[in-house]
Amino acid sequence: GQSLEQPSEVTAVEGAIVQINCTYQTSGFYGLSWYQQHDGGAPTFLSYNALDGLEETGRFSSFLSRSDSYGYLLLQELQMKDSASYFCAGTSGTYKYIFGTGTRLKVLA
Amino acid sequence: ETGVTQTPRHLVMGMTNKKSLKCEQHLGHNAMYWYKQSAKKPLELMFVYSLEERVENNSVPSRFSPECPNSSHLFLHLHTLQPEDSALYLCASSLGTGGSEQYFGPGTRLTVT
Repeated sequence: GQSLEQPSEVTAVEGAIVQINCTYQTSGFYGLSWYQQHDGGAPTFLSYNALDGLEETGRFSSFLSRSDSYGYLLLQELQMKDSASYFCAGTSGTYKYIFGTGTRLKVLA
Repeated sequence: ETGVTQTPRHLVMGMTNKKSLKCEQHLGHNAMYWYKQSAKKPLELMFVYSLEERVENNSVPSRFSPECPNSSHLFLHLHTLQPEDSALYLCASSLGTGGSEQYFGPGTRLTVT
């Protein structure tokens, strides 16, 4: 089967750095995306890794290693507003999006 | 405003009712998607339309019937639903395919009684 696994919950303090991991099992894997979803809100796109390596967008960075079937989202200088759920999503075909189990991030003051 | 709107935002329906969810995107995208989000489960891709043609149907029960009359509008027709169909139904659109950024609507919170 095809699946993407994430830790269910991560807690960190304001100003810290946190890493959210995503391991996947999917055939014909194209790339890995990350989305943020606040409670009651819609998922919003954060980043996409089509190739191995690190992609940086402001405080957020995303990493992909195809050989390890693994990726992560790195959040730096955490802020209270970063408290949300984070989903990785793999594409294994032109229209085949599979979302991860989701990680709830709690940022403490 | 995300550019993708959904109506209604909340819907309560009985198992014998027929209702429709509506999605509209104002972004000029050519692909539209329906997802189901249940508590403690990953988002589940239900249907994909590209240029108004259905290109993906992820083994969704026939009590869910999608319709895409044009590239800006997407409907999900519901009939004889079950209580386990209660969930948040999200619409999304994208300009391209593969890893293209998807823009999500705010969702319709559906409760089946």
